[in-house]
Amino acid sequence: GQNIDQPTEMTATEGAIVQINCTYQTSGFNGLFWYQQHAGEAPTFLSYNVLDGLEEKGRFSSFLSRSKGYSYLLLKELQMKDSASYLCAVRDGDYKLSFGAGTTVTVRA
Amino acid sequence: DAGITQSPRHKVTETGTPVTLRCHQTENHRYMYWYRQDPGHGLRLIHYSYGVKDTDKGEVSDGYSVSRSKTEDFLLTLESATSSQTSVYFCAIKGDREAGELFFGEGSRLTVL
Repeated sequence: GQNIDQPTEMTATEGAIVQINCTYQTSGFNGLFWYQQHAGEAPTFLSYNVLDGLEEKGRFSSFLSRSKGYSYLLLKELQMKDSASYLCAVRDGDYKLSFGAGTTVTVRA
Repeated sequence: DAGITQSPRHKVTETGTPVTLRCHQTENHRYMYWYRQDPGHGLRLIHYSYGVKDTDKGEVSDGYSVSRSKTEDFLLTLESATSSQTSVYFCAIKGDREAGELFFGEGSRLTVL
């Protein structure tokens, strides 16, 4: 089975940095994904990690430690438009993605 | 834009009636998925397909069936809808880049009264 945990909610100020943690215990591992989902919309792909380390993409970075079953998504220079849910997902060996329940980030002015 | 369209986008139905949701893609992707999304549960996999007539169950497949008779269409059927199947349903395809990330359709909101 798959067990993916992430905090339910986080609040931060515009211009600040927020780190969303994700821990996982899965029966197989073939990559970790982060998605962004605005209210009432479909999830959109943000980042992918399959090897340990940090992947940076503009204001967003994602980190993976396979030995610890741990990942985080780092959002820098927060903007109001970053208010959304952030979903952590793990892919097993059969191209199936299992998702955590999501972290709702609220950015305040 | 991964060329995914879902229909209907909104549907209200009564308990015990059959419902079919359609996912249509225009880019010949092999893998297609149906997820449901509920508050507190995130996205949960219902069924997925890895080719025409090739499908398999996900973690919440009870009460659902699927069919894929053409590459471009993946149908999700609720044979006899129940109130517990009120949800937002998302179709997805696996992209062709190295990461193989999923691209999602706009979602179908189903309410079972």
